[in-house]
Amino acid sequence: RKEVEQDPGPFNVPEGATVAFNCTYSNSASQSFFWYRQDCRKEPKLLMSVYSSGNEDGRFTAQLNRASQYISLLIRDSKLSDSATYLCVVKGTYNTDKLIFGTGTRLQVFP
Amino acid sequence: NAGVTQTPKFQVLKTGQSMTLQCAQDMNHEYMSWYRQDPGMGLRLIHYSVGAGITDQGEVPNGYNVSRSTTEDFPLRLLSAAPSQTSVYFCASRRTGLLSYEQYFGPGTRLTVT
Repeated sequence: RKEVEQDPGPFNVPEGATVAFNCTYSNSASQSFFWYRQDCRKEPKLLMSVYSSGNEDGRFTAQLNRASQYISLLIRDSKLSDSATYLCVVKGTYNTDKLIFGTGTRLQVFP
Repeated sequence: NAGVTQTPKFQVLKTGQSMTLQCAQDMNHEYMSWYRQDPGMGLRLIHYSVGAGITDQGEVPNGYNVSRSTTEDFPLRLLSAAPSQTSVYFCASRRTGLLSYEQYFGPGTRLTVT
């Protein structure tokens, strides 16, 4: 089983739609969680951290469910510029600085 | 502020050749790492370093060497290139510690081994 699993997609949605991605992780001792965004042929960049209480940044909302070991990303009012691959990232336990990346979920927003 | 820089951007090697991918950061980050990204495989950790003089293996270290003589630089050496090493290579850096900090990536090196 992969340590971090994501649906690869692609998710094809019209502008203005709401779309949600889920990600599951296998290590229950994982401490920190992130969503990164990667545009085609570019490097990944941090989109947002995921906090235990859930957090929102504009049109983006991230949630963490420790009991079920999954995190989610909700994008409201999708824009064409949201088209990218979204990477779920998990940091290990306190004694490791390694980040574990999911394979990514591709989103394509069409007019 | 340059962030994380990588050279070269593109490289074609023949099987058996060796080369060094360069990586530098100007943010005084302790932690630096190298990943390779292949279709359907996601980012896989090759080697990482938590400070000058300290390196360790990641998930896929075979065929690669690293060193960390300064905080700023973290070169990745391919000892004898193989077609299986055709990939996109990303260098990254961030702070270390109990709190989690944003990881910054370089623009990547696209390597083809023929």
